[in-house]
Amino acid sequence: NAGVMQNPRHLVRRRGQEARLRCSPMKGHSHVYWYRQLPEEGLKFMVYLQKENIIDESGMPKERFSAEFPKEGPSILRIQQVVRGDSAAYFCASSSQGVGNQPQHFGDGTRLSIL
Amino acid sequence: TQLLEQSPQFLSIQEGENLTVYCNSSSVFSSLQWYRQEPGEGPVLLVTVVTGGEVKKLKRLTFQFGDARKDSSLHITAAQPGDTGLYLCAGANGGYQKVTFGIGTKLQVIP
Repeated sequence: NAGVMQNPRHLVRRRGQEARLRCSPMKGHSHVYWYRQLPEEGLKFMVYLQKENIIDESGMPKERFSAEFPKEGPSILRIQQVVRGDSAAYFCASSSQGVGNQPQHFGDGTRLSIL
Repeated sequence: TQLLEQSPQFLSIQEGENLTVYCNSSSVFSSLQWYRQEPGEGPVLLVTVVTGGEVKKLKRLTFQFGDARKDSSLHITAAQPGDTGLYLCAGANGGYQKVTFGIGTKLQVIP
């Protein structure tokens, strides 16, 4: 998983604060996906981005959550005014193409804890 | 909404035993992927199957994609403690490759 870099690995926030999660895709990959994993649950798709574009955000909560993947720099998942229910592991994956059967490569995730 | 059901959810076996885990759906997928995830880490891709009836082998692991591309199985021969982990299946449909994950099978292999 060294190819996809996520930071921080662990993030603690108090209710009402903002959380910023970063993801640097594998070299040469321009497609990024964010997932959320809760204990005893599977990975839930949140958003799919390509450089500077949001392709599919159907899994994103309507409020407080946003994502971007700028031309330069990592992809950012931003959670505003965090609540206890936001506590989860957030994973980023990247792929070289968005079509066909190209595999996704995952990072090791950011574990977000809300106090 | 496409759902993937995995069974069993939990499996604890002795080293050396064989096991099979299943991934089932009522939907057709263009491809299906199997991942293994260890605690504190991200999922690692094991295999992708794309053709109905396809069988792929990875050392002691055998993956099969159902003829109708709605289900898949993972068979492990002579399980080792190093096989312990969470096994996830994920179905994808063409287009931009949004994938749907099953809840996973948590496998424990006891030495």
